[in-house]
Amino acid sequence: ETGVTQSPTHLIKTRGQQVTLRCSSQSGHNTVSWYQQALGQGPQFIFQYYREEENGRGNFPPRFSGLQFPNYSSELNVNALELDDSALYLCASSLGGASGGGKTQYFGPGTRLLVL
Amino acid sequence: EDQVTQSPEALRLQEGESSSLNCSYTVSGLRGLFWYRQDPGKGPEFLFTLYSAGEEKEKERLKATLTKKESFLHITAPKPEDSATYLCAVRGGAQKLVFGQGTRLTINP
Repeated sequence: ETGVTQSPTHLIKTRGQQVTLRCSSQSGHNTVSWYQQALGQGPQFIFQYYREEENGRGNFPPRFSGLQFPNYSSELNVNALELDDSALYLCASSLGGASGGGKTQYFGPGTRLLVL
Repeated sequence: EDQVTQSPEALRLQEGESSSLNCSYTVSGLRGLFWYRQDPGKGPEFLFTLYSAGEEKEKERLKATLTKKESFLHITAPKPEDSATYLCAVRGGAQKLVFGQGTRLTINP
């Protein structure tokens, strides 16, 4: 069974640029969630995708957007990067329906983004 | 709004010294309480899911318990390799996990 993978592992961008982060879900999982984790804090929910549709969103501006593909992999896109976007971005996959239920989410290793 | 508070923020123990980590929560319609372990610079590693008050789960030196307002992660005779940040999260009616800020645990040999 393949776990959740993310790419790249590290990324350095400058303010105003755009970035795309990628995630492959665990084998058999159809739901992907993205989280932002600032240093010393718990992860904050960005959004969730189920069957290629956004299925819930946290308090993040529209410049944070995403996609889910038919093979359940996913992308997180961030436009007009700001210094405060520097964080660890985590992808989690689970097996759930539209309601999500109480299904356990399994996390990838994360992408460390630094915005200068 | 769903909220999770973990205490203490940091805990330093000697090897073999048992203790407990606390997770207090408020949630509208609990659909699961989750414990994760996170090593520096890595993604959270799943430990336990609890669904209802009174439920307990164990794994090696760790035991998680749940009441209607809080959860405890008990660590029995810890070893240095148990050093990590332990995260608690709840899932209510929305799609998201709401995390606490974590407890940073250090076990000295």
